[in-house]
Formats: sequence, structure tokens, C-alpha cells
Amino acid sequence: AQTVTQSQPEMSVQEAETVTLSCTYDTSESDYYLFWYKQPPSRQMILVIRQEAYKQQNATENRFSVNFQKAAKSFSLKISDSQLGDAAMYFCALISSGSARQLTFGSGTQLTVLP
Amino acid sequence: DTGVSQNPRHKITKRGQNVTFRCDPISEHNRLYWYRQTLGQGPEFLTYFQNEAQLEKSRLLSDRFSAERPKGSFSTLEIQRTEQGDSAMYLCASSSRDRRTDTQYFGPGTRLTVL
Repeated sequence: AQTVTQSQPEMSVQEAETVTLSCTYDTSESDYYLFWYKQPPSRQMILVIRQEAYKQQNATENRFSVNFQKAAKSFSLKISDSQLGDAAMYFCALISSGSARQLTFGSGTQLTVLP
Repeated sequence: DTGVSQNPRHKITKRGQNVTFRCDPISEHNRLYWYRQTLGQGPEFLTYFQNEAQLEKSRLLSDRFSAERPKGSFSTLEIQRTEQGDSAMYLCASSSRDRRTDTQYFGPGTRLTVL
């Protein structure tokens, strides 16, 4: 079985500042992918960033970057220059090659951006 | 690329009634997934199709739930004899045949309320 844990139910950040959301996971598979999804109040789940476990280089998408620590099974998301539109629920998710093609999600972190 | 679409967006029904939801995936995607999300939680996997074949079903998918993808394109999820505990957001996602990518893109969801 695979698990994903997000230990921060809520976070807040000042506009233009940087915030880091934490995620830890557990899987027995060696080949897997990690994702961060964003779910704004409209509730459409949007992909933010993806990391392949076989890649050592941390993924980056514009203002979003990850810190992938494979040995520690940690996958944090850093949002730089936070904007009001970044306010949303953020979910960390894992899919393993050896399991069914299902995403396992964490419980989410509600991010508030303060003007 | 029109994205994943789901209909209806909202459904209110009385306990004991049957309901059916539809999902239209991104056109070139051969994999289709159903998830259930309750308030304040991450989505939970229900079932997965590759083309028209249903390859995996979660234990969450009781006998009252059935999903189909008859021609490998759109999918339907039916819930028979609805119960109040079925109230949730039902999310559909699709992904490409490219295993390396395997990124799931979500639709807007169908919110079910069982009275």
C-alpha cells in the first residue's frame, strides 16, 4: 500500500513572499511519480507540477518548484512570489508503476494568500 | 484540447433513487479514472479504465456502484439505491497512453447531494 501525508492542514503567506508546503510519502515501489495539484474554490483540480522518481533534478514550473528528497521520502512544494490567485487547497499525490494506475492523495493543505 | 468534461455538474436526489454521471475524457487519452472526494479530504480512487476495459476497482466501489466505458471514449458512473453517505464530489480524470507521462487531468466534477 502507498500513503501520502500532508501535515499542514492550513498555511498562510503574504503576497509576494515565498511559502513551502510539506509532503511525505511511502511506497515500496522504485518507479513512481509525484504530483502537486491545486484545487481553487471552484473545485477543478489543476496540475501544478510533476516529479519522476528516477530524476534527481528537482522539477520547476515558473514560480513553483519542488524539493524532492528520495531517501527521506519527502516532496515539498515551494511557491515563490505568491499571488492572490495561488490561494487554494493543495494536494500532494503519488502514483506507482507497480500498482493500479491510481493516484493516492494526501489530505491537502489550505493555502491563504494575504494582501 | 477541450479538457475533461463532466455532466451534470450538480445532482440532488432523494435517498433510494438511482443516479448516473457522465465523463468525457480528453480525446486522445485512453485511460479514464473515477474518484470520490468528500468535503475537506483528498480524492479517493474508485475505478480505472484502459480503453473499454475496467482494470481496477476499489473496495469503496460497492455493489450499488457500476461504471462503464462502452466504446473506450466517454464513461458513465451509476449509483443505485443512493444513500446519504454517497453525498460527495465525483471526479473523473484521464491520462495519455504514454506511460512515462501518466499525468492525470481532472474534470470539474459532479457534486451529488442525497437527501
